[in-house]
Amino acid sequence: DAKTTQPNSMESNEEEPVHLPCNHSTISGTDYIHWYRQLPSQGPEYVIHGLTSNVNNRMASLAIAEDRKSSTLILHRATLRDAAVYYCWSNAGGTSYGKLTFGQGTILTVHP
Amino acid sequence: DAGVTQSPTHLIKTRGQQVTLRCSPKSGHDTVSWYQQALGQGPQFIFQYYEEEERQRGNFPDRFSGHQFPNYSSELNVNALLLGDSALYLCASSLIGTDYNEQFFGPGTRLTVL
Repeated sequence: DAKTTQPNSMESNEEEPVHLPCNHSTISGTDYIHWYRQLPSQGPEYVIHGLTSNVNNRMASLAIAEDRKSSTLILHRATLRDAAVYYCWSNAGGTSYGKLTFGQGTILTVHP
Repeated sequence: DAGVTQSPTHLIKTRGQQVTLRCSPKSGHDTVSWYQQALGQGPQFIFQYYEEEERQRGNFPDRFSGHQFPNYSSELNVNALLLGDSALYLCASSLIGTDYNEQFFGPGTRLTVL
């Protein structure tokens, strides 16, 4: 699996945008970029994934660098419910392999 | 539509004992994966079951074993418990054959080994 680095923690204010960075410098050509998050006292939940192009869904946007060695998860208007640990990684999982490779993640704190 | 359910919620065992954790996947899903999450760490992949067989395995000893039943539910068994096995055990389900098999997690079983 590709080596992934994320900041240990970030802070934001409610209703402001949040940009969560992730470096996956050893990503290979067919690897997906995955983002999950884990709210307090809950199991992780899927946020978004991408391969080469930027992606949008109801929860967030994913901006992928042209060389794919980094990505940014964008929460357009943070809410208190977005306070969670955000995990990013890149590997071939997500197809039939299914193995998720969580790292340490970024603890996001949202201030009211 | 019921999501992923796990039982029990909490469990306390002593060293050397054996434990069985249970998981029912989300309706329509056919694949179950198990993860161990130590306090303050990200979840670590234990293994995945599909068609009642173990498809993939993470870096866990043979003390960790599993089973998948014809109704797709699954069990995780841990023998000869060690203090270090204390963790949150998460079950996730997904559907093979889709372009991207997003995994849905249950709330977990908190295992404490004394």
